[in-house]
Amino acid sequence: GAGVSQSPSNKVTEKGKDVELRCDPISGHTALYWYRQSLGQGLEFLIYFQGNSAPDKSGLPSDRFSAERTGGSVSTLTIQRTQQEDSAVYLCASSSLVGRRAGYTFGSGTRLTVV
Amino acid sequence: GQQVMQIPQYQHVQEGEDFTTYCNSSTTLSNIQWYKQRPGGHPVFLIQLVKSGEVKKQKRLTFQFGEAKKNSSLHITATQTTDVGTYFCAAMEYGNKLVFGAGTILRVKS
Repeated sequence: GAGVSQSPSNKVTEKGKDVELRCDPISGHTALYWYRQSLGQGLEFLIYFQGNSAPDKSGLPSDRFSAERTGGSVSTLTIQRTQQEDSAVYLCASSSLVGRRAGYTFGSGTRLTVV
Repeated sequence: GQQVMQIPQYQHVQEGEDFTTYCNSSTTLSNIQWYKQRPGGHPVFLIQLVKSGEVKKQKRLTFQFGEAKKNSSLHITATQTTDVGTYFCAAMEYGNKLVFGAGTILRVKS
């Protein structure tokens, strides 16, 4: 597509429930990233996918968080047993690694509120 | 891992005044990127600097990369209300993973 698409744009969930957030990157972009941004804060790295390589999961805050990327395209971030501290905007980005020097294109994010 | 310190945290200027945000690292950076996030929006890529001492301009925005590749700055000349937002620097860690600075919030009073 023309840009990075994320869904849903907003999600309100009850504490303890599981949620799935979806990211559809720009066609042809081999790298896909998930970041989290709490209100008024910076961007916290969560996970990075590059082609068929094993993902870099070093930023996932707990084992309640997981992500997968199917067919090298769409990615799903899953949060199990959500907690109030999980409330944030979850941003997905993709990039083309041509020359390994390209900027990220971010989606509009999913605003997650855990009540 | 890589860390980048960004200052100031917040700046409120009168329209027409200049604005500068600074980014510093204790280690040499392979490159640095700058992003702008409008209020309620998502970060948008502005530019990437790669070479030591590099200076790039985009209209009223001037980006610099230090000679030692440990610091960078973004300078806006004669701010306008459309410049409002948060400006982030970001450094490339191993692989292609970016580590973002905390950002500088710019408010412009007209």
